[in-house]
Amino acid sequence: RKEVEQDPGPFNVPEGATVAFNCTYSNSASQSFFWYRQDCRKEPKLLMSVYSSGNEDGRFTAQLNRASQYISLLIRDSKLSDSATYLCVVARGGAQKLVFGQGTRLTINP
Amino acid sequence: EAGVAQSPRYKIIEKRQSVAFWCNPISGHATLYWYQQILGQGPKLLIQFQNNGVVDDSQLPKDRFSAERLKGVDSTLKIQPAKLEDSAVYLCASSLVTSGSGEQFFGPGTRLTVL
Repeated sequence: RKEVEQDPGPFNVPEGATVAFNCTYSNSASQSFFWYRQDCRKEPKLLMSVYSSGNEDGRFTAQLNRASQYISLLIRDSKLSDSATYLCVVARGGAQKLVFGQGTRLTINP
Repeated sequence: EAGVAQSPRYKIIEKRQSVAFWCNPISGHATLYWYQQILGQGPKLLIQFQNNGVVDDSQLPKDRFSAERLKGVDSTLKIQPAKLEDSAVYLCASSLVTSGSGEQFFGPGTRLTVL
């Protein structure tokens, strides 16, 4: 079983729609959680951290459920520029070892 | 601020040949990572350095892969001999040693094709 599991998609949604992705992680010792974004043929970049209380950054909302070992990302009012692969990432330990999911591919259609 | 630099950007070799990749992290970043990203998958950590010491190389196939960071700045990753399954993008990333934010800064990667 993979340590971080995501639905690879692809998700195709119209511009302006709301879309949500989920991921699950298997290691209960995981301490930190993130969403990274990776554009086609580009490097991954940090989108946002995920906190237990839930957090929002503009149109993006991330939530963490430690009991269910589940992380989510919600994108509201999606834009064409949101088209990318979204990587769910967990970290454990002070060494900041990141474990990446396989990514969920999102395409926003005009 | 200059980002993480990697070279070459692309490399095509035949199986059983050797190849080396170079990475220059962001100035002041003590922690450097090498990842392998196979098409359709997320990056997989191969090795993590803090300054010039290895923190984690548990997923590095040591029979064919080696990496060094001699002066605690630049790093090289070598594959010798290459196999078909090594075809992937090799990403270098760096972070501040004290960063608890989870933010690693990635270079553009080296796309390796093994024929």
